[in-house]
Amino acid sequence: DQQVKQNSPSLSVQEGRISILNCDYTNSMFDYFLWYKKYPAEGPTFLISISSIKDKNEDGRFTVFLNKSAKHLSLHIVPSQPGDSAVYFCAARPNTGNQFYFGTGTSLTVIP
Amino acid sequence: DVKVTQSSRYLVKRTGEKVFLECVQDMDHENMFWYRQDPGLGLRLIYFSYDVKMKEKGDIPEGYSVSREKKERFSLILESASTNQTSMYLCASSLITNEQFFGPGTRLTVL
Repeated sequence: DQQVKQNSPSLSVQEGRISILNCDYTNSMFDYFLWYKKYPAEGPTFLISISSIKDKNEDGRFTVFLNKSAKHLSLHIVPSQPGDSAVYFCAARPNTGNQFYFGTGTSLTVIP
Repeated sequence: DVKVTQSSRYLVKRTGEKVFLECVQDMDHENMFWYRQDPGLGLRLIYFSYDVKMKEKGDIPEGYSVSREKKERFSLILESASTNQTSMYLCASSLITNEQFFGPGTRLTVL
C-alpha cells in the first residue's frame, strides 16, 4: 500500500512561472519529509527537506510547505527554469526507524 | 562530497543467472539501501542495512539477498535472475537521521 502518493505523473510549466508539485501521505508517524530530483540515467539528488515541527522551509528558488493536518506537502519552484525539468520524488520517514518511503514521482517539464 | 558508486551502469543477464550488484560509499555512513525504480511505481525499497553484517527487509525482498561485510560496501544479489527483475537498481547511503545519497544506478536487463 502506497503510503506516500504523488497523484500527478507529469506537469508542464512555462519558464519563469511557478511550478507546484504535490505530495500526500497517509502515515501520521511520518516526521521528516524530503524532495529529490532525478535526471534520466542518474541517481536522485537531494533537493530540500522539512521536519514536522515546521510548516515551511526555503532554499533559494525552492520552498517546501507542510500541512500536517491535511497530510500534504508541496514543493514550489519560483521562477522555474528549463534545467529544472526532471522527475521529482517526495519521500517521508517515520519518527522511528531509518526507512524512507518514496512517492511515484512527478515529471516536470519547463518550457522555454 | 559524498560519493556513492555502483559497479555497473548497464548490465544484461540471462534468466537463471546469479547476479551481483555492488555499491560502495566513501563517507562512513551507517545506513545503506537498495531500491528498484520502475515506471509508475517510484522507488521501492528492497533491503537496507544499518550496520556491518546487519540487514533488514524492505518492501519487496523476494528474489533478492544482500551482503554487508564492510561498512563501505553493500551488495545486492539476485540468486536466480528472472525477467521481472529487469529494472533500474539504485543504491543509497545515509547517516542515521539524514537524507540519503544515491549512486548513479544500474540498469539491469534480464533476457
